[in-house]
Amino acid sequence: SQQGEEDPQALSIQEGENATMNCSYKTSINNLQWYRQNSGRGLVHLILIRSNEREKHSGRLRVTLDTSKKSSSLLITASRAADTASYFCATDAGDYKLSFGAGTTVTVRA
Amino acid sequence: NAGVTQTPKFQVLKTGQSMTLQCAQDMNHEYMSWYRQDPGMGLRLIHYSVGAGITDQGEVPNGYNVSRSTTEDFPLRLLSAAPSQTSVYFCASSYRGGVPQHFGDGTRLSIL
Repeated sequence: SQQGEEDPQALSIQEGENATMNCSYKTSINNLQWYRQNSGRGLVHLILIRSNEREKHSGRLRVTLDTSKKSSSLLITASRAADTASYFCATDAGDYKLSFGAGTTVTVRA
Repeated sequence: NAGVTQTPKFQVLKTGQSMTLQCAQDMNHEYMSWYRQDPGMGLRLIHYSVGAGITDQGEVPNGYNVSRSTTEDFPLRLLSAAPSQTSVYFCASSYRGGVPQHFGDGTRLSIL
């Protein structure tokens, strides 16, 4: 069964606005990863946050992790048309098996 | 440096046919995996390998076979295709399990 669940399923924002999506999971993890998938392409890794970290930044991306609530959020600031994609969280429980959520589809309107 | 290469990109099969999806990586990664992606369900792990000669089952292994004779290649075999196996298949690799994976661009498979 899938570990992570993203919320919302879909998000439509204006260029320049921020986009926030959330991921909830069920069991203890070693780390949580966020990936982006452009239409018709494979997934691209964005950022990894370890279980002992609370916040991480990479460029316009900010990820938080709350292990007590078993949840994570991904914030994309100052969105661009090129950010239009599906975003997935994936959890690693230390058993060599990444477990992916169903994803959030983000549309950035010009 | 091509990364992860999957072939073919598209394939249509008839029920009962068999075929092999190819996956090759040139990054000398030990860990390789196969996922299927269905609408609204994210990616589900089919099989994975932590090194040459070692494979194990993921979440949805039934109807699929894998082998890992070299570090570079990790083919996925459909033994007797069924319409329920219509999906997009992704291969991924990383230098070990649990770290960010590099994905191929997928094989879109339709079974009639």
